[in-house]
Amino acid sequence: DAKTTQPTSMDCAEGRAANLPCNHSTISGNEYVYWYRQIHSQGPQYIIHGLKNNETNEMASLIITEDRKSSTLILPHATLRDTAVYYCIVRVGSLLGGGADGLTFGKGTHLIIQP
Amino acid sequence: EAGVTQFPSHSVIEKGQTVTLRCDPISGHDNLYWYRRVMGKEIKFLLHFVKESKQDESGMPNNRFLAERTGGTYSTLKVQPAELEDSGVYFCASSQAQGVARAFFGQGTRLTVV
Repeated sequence: DAKTTQPTSMDCAEGRAANLPCNHSTISGNEYVYWYRQIHSQGPQYIIHGLKNNETNEMASLIITEDRKSSTLILPHATLRDTAVYYCIVRVGSLLGGGADGLTFGKGTHLIIQP
Repeated sequence: EAGVTQFPSHSVIEKGQTVTLRCDPISGHDNLYWYRRVMGKEIKFLLHFVKESKQDESGMPNNRFLAERTGGTYSTLKVQPAELEDSGVYFCASSQAQGVARAFFGQGTRLTVV
């Protein structure tokens, strides 16, 4: 079973920041928060991951609360191509390697970018 | 750099027949994973190879499914005999090191059993 809770769907206007929340209140100390997305008819795509510090890369930013019980994925300037199902996944791992491997996908959030 | 490639992209077979799906991981990636999404359900992990060895096959649904990775390069997933409930999209992913978050997924094979 997925250890995360996400809204079923969200809308965002094109060009605005999309903020996708995720609750993971039972997260353990050695578990990371990962985000993947699946654009229609494509395979899942890695976005970002983090442990406790906020992270940023070329795709998105990840904000993790101090108690690590929730996080927010931020797409700073959403485009129509960002319409997809976004998955927040919690699993044991590390920045470099090690830990359990199989990803547990939940239902995700269907993000719809409106023109 | 070529990504993860899967063959075929679509397959339609009759119940009771055999189908073999193939996955070519990114060159140099020792870790290879199979997932599937059955219609209306979530994406589920099937199994994980490290080179040619099965590291974790806890997600394989039953003994009608056989995965191989001879030589530690490409992998095949055979379904024999196929049942109606096997219909879905089968994804393959690869990663460079075990446990690394960034797994690269293929486009998937859509299997329809009629």
